[in-house]
Amino acid sequence: GAGVSQTPSNKVTEKGKYVELRCDPISGHTALYWYRQSLGQGPEFLIYFQGTGAADDSGLPNDRFFAVRPEGSVSTLKIQRTERGDSAVYLCASSSNPVNTEAFFGQGTRLTVV
Amino acid sequence: AQTVTQSQPEMSVQEAETVTLSCTYDTSESDYYLFWYKQPPSRQMILVIRQEAYKQQNATENRFSVNFQKAAKSFSLKISDSQLGDAAMYFCAYRSAGTGNQFYFGTGTSLTVIP
Repeated sequence: GAGVSQTPSNKVTEKGKYVELRCDPISGHTALYWYRQSLGQGPEFLIYFQGTGAADDSGLPNDRFFAVRPEGSVSTLKIQRTERGDSAVYLCASSSNPVNTEAFFGQGTRLTVV
Repeated sequence: AQTVTQSQPEMSVQEAETVTLSCTYDTSESDYYLFWYKQPPSRQMILVIRQEAYKQQNATENRFSVNFQKAAKSFSLKISDSQLGDAAMYFCAYRSAGTGNQFYFGTGTSLTVIP
């Protein structure tokens, strides 16, 4: 596609449930990022993929969060045993190399845990 | 980790006037990149302007320009001839040119444009 696509746009889930958030990056972009944005805050880094591997997962808050990118394109962010504090907008971005290029963002998935 | 600070949670500007948004950052690196992103209510972050730290010349993109002061670690955004469509959240971001490729974002400035 022409831009970064994230699905679903909105997700409401019950506390304790499992959710998957999908990101389809711009074709050919090798770098993919996940960020979490809480209300009134800037995006907070979660994880960065270079190709299929997670090059930096230092931002994942705990072991309930996991992300994969098995074929180096689409990525899925997985959250187990969701908590109300997980409610936020989850943003995905992709970029090509070299490192100074901008990151192109999707419109995010708004996750609400009730 | 690098930190990015935006000290103005909210700003307003009269249509056609000029406004400056402030950003400071903390880093021990000498080579890095700085960005201003715009986030309208649609949530999609859109790049406004980019500055390479090794360049002394301030970046300019049409009505948008920056004042990059490397020694002071300051990176302000100036919007000239403000338009109603400029109303949005604006985020300053830092990206290392060395190890690690994540973007570090500030907390944002909400810009209101008054007709």
